[in-house]
Amino acid sequence: DTAVSQTPKYLVTQMGNDKSIKCEQNLGHDTMYWYKQDSKKFLKIMFSYNNKELIINETVPNRFSPKSPDKAHLNLHINSLELGDSAVYFCASSPAGGGVIPPLHFGNGTRLTVT
Amino acid sequence: DQQVKQNSPSLSVQEGRISILNCDYTNSMFDYFLWYKKYPAEGPTFLISISSIKDKNEDGRFTVFLNKSAKHLSLHIVPSQPGDSAVYFCAASALGNQFYFGTGTSLTVIP
Repeated sequence: DTAVSQTPKYLVTQMGNDKSIKCEQNLGHDTMYWYKQDSKKFLKIMFSYNNKELIINETVPNRFSPKSPDKAHLNLHINSLELGDSAVYFCASSPAGGGVIPPLHFGNGTRLTVT
Repeated sequence: DQQVKQNSPSLSVQEGRISILNCDYTNSMFDYFLWYKKYPAEGPTFLISISSIKDKNEDGRFTVFLNKSAKHLSLHIVPSQPGDSAVYFCAASALGNQFYFGTGTSLTVIP
């Protein structure tokens, strides 16, 4: 009954490969996010989707492409992987605000290692 | 440009004592602040929040203090327990837009 689940937990791949990380939330939330935590532990937003529509797209290489087939899923596709893409990627979700800023609910992360 | 900073990467405290974790921010438009707690191999979980109209919010053993003039907030844990050992992230938002996170402080509570 995990609220925000992402797979795989670990991903080791070689430079130049294309990989995907999947995320699903069963909380009924409207908004989903991808965050990247780099080696300096800096947790930075990459994308945000609200009801399958892209609302935040930070300065991320276009090798990264999010896809939201429905509001419960937000997958991250990464093409032509580079060494610098090695990081922990967190999926998160939040409900509609309704005047109150709701906190984010995070998945357990996917540790991507590019060799 | 890091708008939220946690300058202490680690902190050790004896069980039963107070833990004080600090966070500074640079953007004066930030009006909502949160603390998250993260255990190894898990995602961050929401702990406590405060809006800029308040200077203090308390929830059990956890209290967050906000000093807007100094652009500083702190999380107090009293009394500290071994189960509180985790990484604590501070986050801030302006007008309900995206959250900016600090780099975290690793708290160790020594039994």
